Amino acid sequence: AQKVTQAQTEISVVEKEDVTLDCVYETRDTTYYLFWYKQPPSGELVFLIRRNSFDEQNEISGRYSWNFQKSTSSFNFTITASQVVDSAVYFCALIRGVNNDMRFGAGTRLTVKP
Amino acid sequence: NAGVTQTPKFRILKIGQSMTLQCTQDMNHNYMYWYRQDPGMGLKLIYYSVGAGITDKGEVPNGYNVSRSTTEDFPLRLELAAPSQTSVYFCASSSIGTGDYEQYFGPGTRLTVT
Repeated sequence: AQKVTQAQTEISVVEKEDVTLDCVYETRDTTYYLFWYKQPPSGELVFLIRRNSFDEQNEISGRYSWNFQKSTSSFNFTITASQVVDSAVYFCALIRGVNNDMRFGAGTRLTVKP
Repeated sequence: NAGVTQTPKFRILKIGQSMTLQCTQDMNHNYMYWYRQDPGMGLKLIYYSVGAGITDKGEVPNGYNVSRSTTEDFPLRLELAAPSQTSVYFCASSSIGTGDYEQYFGPGTRLTVT
């Protein structure tokens, strides 16, 4: 079975604070893909990053960074110097196997206050 | 390139009514998916298709039917609407053969069953 757990239901920070969103996954497959999506108040899903199971390199994109650790089955997402526009629900997701069956976590609602 | 389009954007159904949610993609993707997102929750896979003429059940298929007669279209049918089907429905597509694995989402259809 595969499962994604986002233990933080809601996080509230003040603008310019750093914030880390946790994601823990479970899968028996050796080949899998992890994703982060952003869902702003408007409701659409915005792709942020994809990482495959063979690539544990951390990634940085502007104020966003991702830490992938297979040893702890975690794929955490950090926003540095948060901004009000970062307020959204963030989903971590996992794909395994050839059918591309994507499983989502329950999401973390991030509120950034000015 | 419109990406993934969904119609309608909003719909209110009475219990027992039927309707079809439309989904079209113009990216020539082989895989297509239907998800539902209940309030405060992540997305759950209803059905998916790996190509024209091929469909398979996801995590929560009961109460729904799909068909895939063309690469572009993947309609979702609700035969006897129930209040439990009140949700936001997202269609997505992806191109597995290119190794991309990213799923491109439509804007969603908000369905209320009363």
